[in-house]
Amino acid sequence: KNEVEQSPQNLTAQEGEFITINCSYSVGISALHWLQQHPGGGIVSLFMLSSGKKKHGRLIATINIQEKHSSLHITASHPRDSAVYICAVNAGNKLTFGGGTRVLVKP
Amino acid sequence: EAEVAQSPRYKITEKSQAVAFWCDPISGHATLYWYRQILGQGPELLVQFQDESVVDDSQLPKDRFSAERLKGVDSTLKIQPAELGDSAMYLCASSLNWRGGQGQFFGPGTRLTVL
Repeated sequence: KNEVEQSPQNLTAQEGEFITINCSYSVGISALHWLQQHPGGGIVSLFMLSSGKKKHGRLIATINIQEKHSSLHITASHPRDSAVYICAVNAGNKLTFGGGTRVLVKP
Repeated sequence: EAEVAQSPRYKITEKSQAVAFWCDPISGHATLYWYRQILGQGPELLVQFQDESVVDDSQLPKDRFSAERLKGVDSTLKIQPAELGDSAMYLCASSLNWRGGQGQFFGPGTRLTVL
């Protein structure tokens, strides 16, 4: 079993819909990251959080340390949000990645 | 805004050839990471440097892969000889230091295709 599990693996939404991506982890962590990767592109850090909730524009990230679970929400989704979203956790001095969620937002 | 630089962005090579990738981290970042990302999967750490020293290369296939960061700034990752299974995105990242909770900043990656 992977230390970081994401769901769903793939997600298709219509423009304007609310999107939720989930991440569960099994190890003790000091921080959790949500990353965005566009096709053929490098990785951009969206959020780094260790508790509670963070918001940036239409993106919201939450984490529940007790339940070892985090969610990334995209409100009013747009075709430019189409990308792979990756959850990664800091455990010790290592960053462990989930397999990513491929999001496609159709106009 | 400071960025992690990588070159080349794309590399096509034939199997058994040697390839090299270069990474220049954000100025002042002591920790540098090389990751390999196979299509459809999350990145996998190959090697982590703290300044010029390797702190983790447990997942680096040392029979064909080597990495160096001689002056503790930029870094080179080499594959010799390349194999078909090495086709992947090679990502470089840097952070201020190795301590947990520090953000990592990623470069654009080098996409390697081995024919």
